[in-house]
Amino acid sequence: SQQGEEDPQALSIQEGENATMNCSYKTSINNLQWYRQNSGRGLVHLILIRSNEREKHSGRLRVTLDTSKKSSSLLITASRAADTASYFCATGSGGSNYKLTFGKGTLLTVNP
Amino acid sequence: DTGVSQNPRHKITKRGQNVTFRCDPISEHNRLYWYRQTLGQGPEFLTYFQNEAQLEKSRLLSDRFSAERPKGSFSTLEIQRTEQGDSAMYLCASSLPLGHSYEQYFGPGTRLTVT
Repeated sequence: SQQGEEDPQALSIQEGENATMNCSYKTSINNLQWYRQNSGRGLVHLILIRSNEREKHSGRLRVTLDTSKKSSSLLITASRAADTASYFCATGSGGSNYKLTFGKGTLLTVNP
Repeated sequence: DTGVSQNPRHKITKRGQNVTFRCDPISEHNRLYWYRQTLGQGPEFLTYFQNEAQLEKSRLLSDRFSAERPKGSFSTLEIQRTEQGDSAMYLCASSLPLGHSYEQYFGPGTRLTVT
């Protein structure tokens, strides 16, 4: 079953704009990860945030985590056409964190 | 290319036939996962290996599905008596030993179409 739910399901923006995607999950987690999937490169890991962290940055990506609300957001700044892809949040839980539970994803389209 | 590889990339089969997919993980990764993804959905966990030991199987993995990782390197996923509902993308991922990183590296997937 899907653990996370991304919002919105689809997002269309112009190149240079920022894109924000949200993820809600149901059970307690040890970490939350964001992945990107497009037809050219498959599913690629973007960033991981641990349950004891509130914010993390990587290049043009900013992730926040609110464990009290069981939610996370992914911000992509200064978007590019190459950012067009589906974005998934995935939660790792359990003692060994080996299993990821993915949401349904947000389809981001960046128009040139 | 030292990433995760999967073969074949595409498989079309008739209902009732058996199919087998192969996954070659990144060489130093001892953990290997299989996921299934249908259109418009995120990947769903099927099973997990640590070295050659299969440590967990999802309820999604019916008796018609079997996965092996005989020498702790490559893995195979076999589906017997395929059904149309088995049509999906089958993804393999691998990761470093426990305590190193939680990041999983995914292969390009095998797209199965059951007619």
